[in-house]
Amino acid sequence: LAKTTQPISMDSYEGQEVNITCSHNNIATNDYITWYQQFPSQGPRFIIQGYKTKVTNEVASLFIPADRKSSTLSLPRVSLSDTAVYYCLVGDIKNRDDKIIFGKGTRLHILP
Amino acid sequence: DTAVSQTPKYLVTQMGNDKSIKCEQNLGHDTMYWYKQDSKKFLKIMFSYNNKELIINETVPNRFSPKSPDKAHLNLHINSLELGDSAVYFCASTSRGEQYFGPGTRLTVT
Repeated sequence: LAKTTQPISMDSYEGQEVNITCSHNNIATNDYITWYQQFPSQGPRFIIQGYKTKVTNEVASLFIPADRKSSTLSLPRVSLSDTAVYYCLVGDIKNRDDKIIFGKGTRLHILP
Repeated sequence: DTAVSQTPKYLVTQMGNDKSIKCEQNLGHDTMYWYKQDSKKFLKIMFSYNNKELIINETVPNRFSPKSPDKAHLNLHINSLELGDSAVYFCASTSRGEQYFGPGTRLTVT
């Protein structure tokens, strides 16, 4: 199982771009990288998923370098409502037996 | 329409009781999970089912018994509840690696 390491917490200001980096040094060939967002008293919500290079959707971008040993979630122009915990997960999404592990996550606090 | 629903949302009970939490998904997914999130906010997988078949059982005490009557439902029954079982329990279903979580059930054992 590929373990992930993220900063425990981050602060930023409204309107700024926020980048959260996740390390996954022992990522396997078949592993994908997935990010989730969790607000208090809610279940985690899927943000973005990727395998290599760059993925962008309406919410965020995911940058994955060639060696895939890390990834960066980029949130453009954050607002107060982006205050949440962000989880980076690594696992083989095509293998139903693969236990995709949630780490401790990064607690992002957006300030006005 | 709610994609993944859980009932009840809150559950307060005494030690030693038996309780169940129900989960239903209307997404047509084959795989469903139960997670436990404790007071330190660590989210740990407990079980996963694929098309009613148990796939993952993560060293959970056998007081916890999941039941999947069909692939849209995965219920969790807990016998002889203990104080340490107090947590938020999340049900989830998945398609192509994207997990959809329910709203959670906050279980408090007194």
